[in-house]
Order: sequence, then C-alpha cells, then structure tokens
Amino acid sequence: DQQVKQNSPSLSVQEGRISILNCDYTNSMFDYFLWYKKYPAEGPTFLISISSIKDKNEDGRFTVFLNKSAKHLSLHIVPSQPGDSAVYFCAAYSGGSNYKLTFGKGTLLTVNP
Amino acid sequence: DADVTQTPRNRITKTGKRIMLECSQTKGHDRMYWYRQDPGLGLQLIYYSFDVKDINKGEISDGYSVSRQAQAKFSLSLESAIPNQTALYFCATSDRGQGRDEQFFGPGTRLTVL
Repeated sequence: DQQVKQNSPSLSVQEGRISILNCDYTNSMFDYFLWYKKYPAEGPTFLISISSIKDKNEDGRFTVFLNKSAKHLSLHIVPSQPGDSAVYFCAAYSGGSNYKLTFGKGTLLTVNP
Repeated sequence: DADVTQTPRNRITKTGKRIMLECSQTKGHDRMYWYRQDPGLGLQLIYYSFDVKDINKGEISDGYSVSRQAQAKFSLSLESAIPNQTALYFCATSDRGQGRDEQFFGPGTRLTVL
C-alpha cells in the first residue's frame, strides 16, 4: 500500500526550462512534506519542505506547491540545470510524528544541456 | 569529513552468513535510523533509536537487529542473511527538538546476498 506515490519514474527536460515533479499521497494524516535529492553513490540530501498549513514554499530555484484537497504536491525547478539531474524523493511525516518518514519511489530527473 | 559515515560501502556475502553494517555520526544528533532501499522503491524504515537506551522497530524489522553502542554509533545486523535482503542500506540522523525537519543520510551500503 503505497501511501506516497510518485507516478513518473523518470522525467527529461532541457537546460533552462522548468522541471515539475509530482507527488500524490493517500494518508490524510500526513501534515509535513519534504523533497530529497539523491545522486548516484550518495545518500539522499534534503532539498525543501512544506507544512500542511501552507500551500507554497520557495527556496531559490526550487518551489514546492501543496494542494491538500487533491492530496497532491509538486516540486518546480526553474531554471533547470544539468547539475539538477538526480533522483528526487517525495517524503511525508504523519501528524504528530517527527521521526517516521514515508517515502515515495522517486523520480529520476535528467536535465539535458 | 562526512557527518554520517557508513561502513562498509559495499559487501557481498553468502546466504546464512552474519553481517554487520556500521554507522557513525559527528553531528551530535540524538536520533538515528536504518533504512533499506530496493530497486525502484522508496526507502523503508527498519529500525530507529531516539537515544542509546531507546530502540524501536520500524516497518520491516524482521530478519534484522540493531545496537546503539553510543550516541554516535548505530549498527545494523543481519543474523542470517538471505538473498531478498540484497538492497541499498542507509543510515540517517536527526536532532530531537528541531521540529519536523530533515534527516541527514549517510552514503549508503550496497549489500548483495548470494
């Protein structure tokens, strides 16, 4: 039972364009969401997060949007750079928990020069 | 130097062997975690520890055990390895009291059980 779903295993975009990575969730108790980026042979690294009381959080080129009614969030990268090529994981904390993260399967982003 | 280190980085072993994966951190965090990632899947929590005397099972603890030797060290053991434990294993840490924030991951250990 996949509670955090990343339905696109891969995404390819051109350098300079926008990358949009999507994530859906089924557990209505999730109230804090994070995006992690993972390069080959490295562990995941934190990218950006959003609380369920917000609908947008921005950090430089990265913006996360949350649509609670649709149980959907998305990560926008503008402009995309070749160094952004990595696997992106969506993850969520359940209400009241600050230790148990539920991860999606990840989306491989390739940014072509 | 890396804040969260894992040893070994790669290991090939045979069915039935006992294996220990080690994790050390210099971040001074209270909480440590072990995750497993299978190809095409997300990370699944095996065990977590809030401090040296507080160890808890995660989603997929069967076949695994852990030891929190010190605040900075958290090891994962496979008492009798089996092929479906072939996976990428990650250790992570987080700081209690820092809210709903990030976990910091080590570089991973790729384990192959033949």
